[in-house]
Amino acid sequence: GESVGLHLPTLSVQEGDNSIINCAYSNSASDYFIWYKQESGKGPQFIIDIRSNMDKRQGQRVTVLLNKTVKHLSLQIAATQPGDSAVYFCAENMKTSYDKVIFGPGTSLSVIP
Amino acid sequence: ETGVTQTPRHLVMGMTNKKSLKCEQHLGHNAMYWYKQSAKKPLELMFVYNFKEQTENNSVPSRFSPECPNSSHLFLHLHTLQPEDSALYLCASSQDGDSYEQYFGPGTRLTVT
Repeated sequence: GESVGLHLPTLSVQEGDNSIINCAYSNSASDYFIWYKQESGKGPQFIIDIRSNMDKRQGQRVTVLLNKTVKHLSLQIAATQPGDSAVYFCAENMKTSYDKVIFGPGTSLSVIP
Repeated sequence: ETGVTQTPRHLVMGMTNKKSLKCEQHLGHNAMYWYKQSAKKPLELMFVYNFKEQTENNSVPSRFSPECPNSSHLFLHLHTLQPEDSALYLCASSQDGDSYEQYFGPGTRLTVT
């Protein structure tokens, strides 16, 4: 079936380094992608989004890259800080149903001070 | 804080009990959602309400019964649950059905004994 998944379940990064979290999706009909961050004891928090007509979008210290050819999504965090330690989820919103946001399993990012 | 509150934060209930989870959003949004988050599984969308009307039920067992009396409040009524229903139940809201950015509450940690 169609699914959104992450290549790596855990990622450890030295403070100050850049982090890259990857995500694969299989539904070519998806037209909108979102990254969420979930800290311990909290609900997911929106980080950044990108539409399928774009291949790159930048926010504050974060960049999302979309490669539709290989159905790949990545989240880059610049100068990773201890406060970035969390689980990161990619999600896709299928064009056929605006309500249907499908989340990937998540990647746990640990920042080493 | 995201503007979405959930009560209780923790709940332990027996399989014969009846309990309700409450969600309230203070953002003026018109769409509200219930998600289930189990360990090592992706977020699962359960129910969607748009302008108080249920627009999606993702094949959720009838022991879960949602209620949306107005656009600011969402309930999840629970009865005769099973131990495998133990999970974090997250509520989210968005501006409306065309807005993909969802704001999540902190969740209710449910344990069924």
